[in-house]
Amino acid sequence: AQSVAQPEDQVNVAEGNPLTVKCTYSVSGNPYLFWYVQYPNRGLQFLLKYITGDNLVKGSYGFEAEFNKSQTSFHLKKPSALVSDSALYFCAVRDVTASKYIFGTGTRLKVLA
Amino acid sequence: EAQVTQNPRYLITVTGKKLTVTCSQNMNHEYMSWYRQDPGLGLRQIYYSMNVEVTDKGDVPEGYKVSRKEKRNFPLILESPSPNQTSLYFCASSLNPPGGGYLDTQYFGPGTRLTVL
Repeated sequence: AQSVAQPEDQVNVAEGNPLTVKCTYSVSGNPYLFWYVQYPNRGLQFLLKYITGDNLVKGSYGFEAEFNKSQTSFHLKKPSALVSDSALYFCAVRDVTASKYIFGTGTRLKVLA
Repeated sequence: EAQVTQNPRYLITVTGKKLTVTCSQNMNHEYMSWYRQDPGLGLRQIYYSMNVEVTDKGDVPEGYKVSRKEKRNFPLILESPSPNQTSLYFCASSLNPPGGGYLDTQYFGPGTRLTVL
């Protein structure tokens, strides 16, 4: 079965420090992976996606994600966190067995001033 | 402005009283989907639609109905709501359905917070 896992419910990081939000996946075939962000009282917004090619994907708001096939991971990163990055982050994978996407449980990122 | 709209944004209702949450997109997207978001469970798909008059069940369809009579609209219907349907609901759309050579970004509505007493 296709799935994604976000092992951390919450990540705390100091402003200016690098941040990592973890995601691992299990899919048959080629993985197509996404990161979305949800700010308070808002819908999800697309950050970036991985289809194929370069393992480092750059996205919106200075975020990037590193695809690692051997570790089946797609961790979201940012070199220097901002307080405004505090939000709920979702990893998602395209389910190739059905026309749908599967989302992780979400990781709440808190950036402390 | 390209967007997905949902109404209402907030709704408090009682058990058994039928309700409809509307969803509309102005991007001529083929694929539309409903999700519910619950703490610790993330987003789970309720129903999706590949095109007009084509709908299918997602992972948690029980207690819900949908219709897709027009391309832009995809209402979610709760015929007899129950307290376990208290949740945050999101509608989403993308130009093409996921699959084949397509990997389009989904656009999400702002959400509808439903409370069933």
